[in-house]
Amino acid sequence: GAVVSQHPSRVICKSGTSVKIECRSLDFQATTMFWYRQFPKKSLMLMATSNEGSKATYEQGVEKDKFLINHASLTLSTLTVTSAHPEDSSFYICSASHPLGTDTQYFGPGTRLTVL
Amino acid sequence: GENVEQHPSTLSVQEGDSAVIKCTYSDSASNYFPWYKQELGKRPQLIIDIRSNVGEKKDQRIAVTLNKTAKHFSLHITETQPEDSAVYFCAATSGFQKLVFGTGTRLLVSP
Repeated sequence: GAVVSQHPSRVICKSGTSVKIECRSLDFQATTMFWYRQFPKKSLMLMATSNEGSKATYEQGVEKDKFLINHASLTLSTLTVTSAHPEDSSFYICSASHPLGTDTQYFGPGTRLTVL
Repeated sequence: GENVEQHPSTLSVQEGDSAVIKCTYSDSASNYFPWYKQELGKRPQLIIDIRSNVGEKKDQRIAVTLNKTAKHFSLHITETQPEDSAVYFCAATSGFQKLVFGTGTRLLVSP
């Protein structure tokens, strides 16, 4: 149980285009999902907390107009990187917390974004 | 906000030896401390966690200890195997369900 999927697994795009990444909880309903960014050989940095039916909460320094988050259902959250630039190239990982209220987060497999 | 420090950044051991990774946290309100294992290009996998009302937890070759007074917690792996080689991250809660991660420890277990 507690499986989280992410799509696509990797994407290459041209500078200036937008990319949408989907995060799904497959066997449970997640009221809260989290989006992280991980640079090579670095730790996971929380970008934003996504709550179903409400606006996402962004961490300090993360541009909400550049990283659009939508959590339209209890099983799906999306991250859209708008007007992507090479410096946005990174590994983006989502996680979901179980609705029973525990703090345990289950991670998706990640999306490798490369902006040319 | 919460700050988590992790040491060492790299750890090399021989197969069969024990490995210990240590983390400290700053927020005394933190009450949940998970450890994740991440292989190259893969998702972090939860390997063990501990809550603030417990001082120690063990799961086969893996154990975690927590010292709330000193605000530090440690991961202990005994009888290490080459397949234990990976990057290990500690984390601590910061606010409702948010996790702050340590900087990671690259563990290399040599046969």
